[in-house]
Amino acid sequence: DSGVTQTPKHLITATGQRVTLRCSPRSGDLSVYWYQQSLDQGLQFLIQYYNGEERAKGNILERFSAQQFPDLHSELNLSSLELGDSALYFCASSVSGRLTDTQYFGPGTRLTVL
Amino acid sequence: GENVEQHPSTLSVQEGDSAVIKCTYSDSASNYFPWYKQELGKRPQLIIDIRSNVGEKKDQRIAVTLNKTAKHFSLHITETQPEDSAVYFCAASIRDAGNQFYFGTGTSLTVIP
Repeated sequence: DSGVTQTPKHLITATGQRVTLRCSPRSGDLSVYWYQQSLDQGLQFLIQYYNGEERAKGNILERFSAQQFPDLHSELNLSSLELGDSALYFCASSVSGRLTDTQYFGPGTRLTVL
Repeated sequence: GENVEQHPSTLSVQEGDSAVIKCTYSDSASNYFPWYKQELGKRPQLIIDIRSNVGEKKDQRIAVTLNKTAKHFSLHITETQPEDSAVYFCAASIRDAGNQFYFGTGTSLTVIP
């Protein structure tokens, strides 16, 4: 157990809908990362937050947004969902958000868009 | 942006043999190279990493080598065991408008008892 929690574990929804994925980092970690893992695209970095502020943006679609709250938990919002958004979404946390910090991954949320 | 290529996509070895997975990257500014292991249905876990100022790093049966000139790095697993069976991902990271992480497409390693 990495200490990173994600809810829900599974999510099934329809195209066009909006969902929110939640992540709680390890105690003491200030930085949260979001990743998308799909069969055809592998593991893709979406976005990073550090202490409530956006630190880096990767391949995140405009339909997706995220935020990190004062208690350091983070939410990833996915809207206007498409079939291709079906994937495993991981969040990870690290102590300070430095490039070389070890990232600890949560168990993931499996999103299925029908 | 960075492009990370990983080979092979699948690898089968006999227990006790060595396994080597190779990754290449395109951006010479990349300066941190972690390797992750992901067992079936589980989360990725960091197993070893190397910074651009080091050529080799070892941790028990696992080693990573980096050739900055050729822009490639490799994961070496010696004396493989069945529990080494998993998908391994390489990644390259650069500080470019924040930390950017680019992953290879993964190698599915099967260790045959």
